[in-house]
Amino acid sequence: EILMTQSPATLSVSPGERVTLSCRASQSVSNNLAWYQQKPGQAPRLLIYGASTRATDIPARFSGSGSGTEFTLTINSLQSEDFAIYYCHQYNNWPPFTFGPGTKVEIK
Amino acid sequence: QVQLQQWGAGLLKPSETLSLTCAVYGESFSGYYWNWIRQAPGKGLEWVGEIYQNGATSYNPSLKSRVTISIDTSKNQFSLKLRSVTAADTATYYCARTQQQPYKYFQYWGQGSPVTVSS
Repeated sequence: EILMTQSPATLSVSPGERVTLSCRASQSVSNNLAWYQQKPGQAPRLLIYGASTRATDIPARFSGSGSGTEFTLTINSLQSEDFAIYYCHQYNNWPPFTFGPGTKVEIK
Repeated sequence: QVQLQQWGAGLLKPSETLSLTCAVYGESFSGYYWNWIRQAPGKGLEWVGEIYQNGATSYNPSLKSRVTISIDTSKNQFSLKLRSVTAADTATYYCARTQQQPYKYFQYWGQGSPVTVSS
């Protein structure tokens, strides 16, 4: 099973700031890495797949990078609607598909 | 636009069987993989398993002995059964869709079904 870790666990930021979230895999997952955003009481929403491709209707302020074991999600000019929990997910090796524990982006 | 709508019993006693169903609207049921994912209160996401249109399944090894995912292509529905539940199975359960490898990311999700296991 591939173990996914994320850092930091919580990020306190002000609107308009740029944030960088990290995700690490315990072994290479190539570029088979997705990012999701989850708000309270809602299902996760796909943001990024293939490590760097934005999903349909995702704003350009969201970008992903990385390959192998190290990945980054960057949000430029954070908007109020971006305060949420962000999960990474590897789909290179399964079963099982595995997720990181999440990074909570909260208002400073 | 693809929509996944799910339903099932929300309150179970220990040792009972969890049963949830997910219906797919708006697009062909064929050619995709249909998944269940769960999230314990305040916790992260855990993949439960998937099923293909031909009935082929793959399960999380941690749950494999208790899980059955089935499919009804005539109704565009798939279902989850989890036997012998305990309090540790208390979670919100989501259905979700993936495509063929390598596009195995969860593009569409159901609204979630909260399930509580309590005596």
